[in-house]
Amino acid sequence: DAKTTQPPSMDCAEGRAANLPCNHSTISGNEYVYWYRQIHSQGPQYIIHGLKNNETNEMASLIITEDRKSSTLILPHATLRDTAVYYCIVHYGGSQGNLIFGKGTKLSVKP
Amino acid sequence: DSGVTQTPKHLITATGQRVTLRCSPRSGDLSVYWYQQSLDQGLQFLIQYYNGEERAKGNILERFSAQQFPDLHSELNLSSLELGDSALYFCASSLIPENTQYFGPGTRLTVL
Repeated sequence: DAKTTQPPSMDCAEGRAANLPCNHSTISGNEYVYWYRQIHSQGPQYIIHGLKNNETNEMASLIITEDRKSSTLILPHATLRDTAVYYCIVHYGGSQGNLIFGKGTKLSVKP
Repeated sequence: DSGVTQTPKHLITATGQRVTLRCSPRSGDLSVYWYQQSLDQGLQFLIQYYNGEERAKGNILERFSAQQFPDLHSELNLSSLELGDSALYFCASSLIPENTQYFGPGTRLTVL
């Protein structure tokens, strides 16, 4: 079973920041938080990941709380093309690398 | 474009048949993963290979098998197909098992 809890759906206005929350209260010290998204039926697209510190790349920012029990993915200026299902995944960086996907959050960016 | 390629894009076949799905990982990646996405089950891990060796198994049916070849491409073989095998099949690759996985565009299998 997925070790994360996400809202099933969210709306965001185009051009505004989209903040997608994720709870992972049972995360252990060596587990990373990964975010992927899936646009329609395309292959999941890697967005960002982090362990303890906040992370930023060209796509998004990841804010992880100090106790690591929750995180927020931030898309700073959402566009219509960001409409997708976003998956938050807790993943142990060990030798067995399979990802466990939950149901994710369906983000709808509206004009 | 993730750099992972999958063929074919679409496959339509009949119950009882056998098909082979092919995956080429990103250049340099040694680990390959197969996932199945059906409407009712979501994205589920099937099997992982690392440098030609099976590394981990998920909920993969006995009718399904896979292998990773010396050139690191992988094939997923599905036999005695049933209607319920209709799904999207994704391949992902990573440099080593601990690293970030990048997914291919998928193969849509329809069993009639």
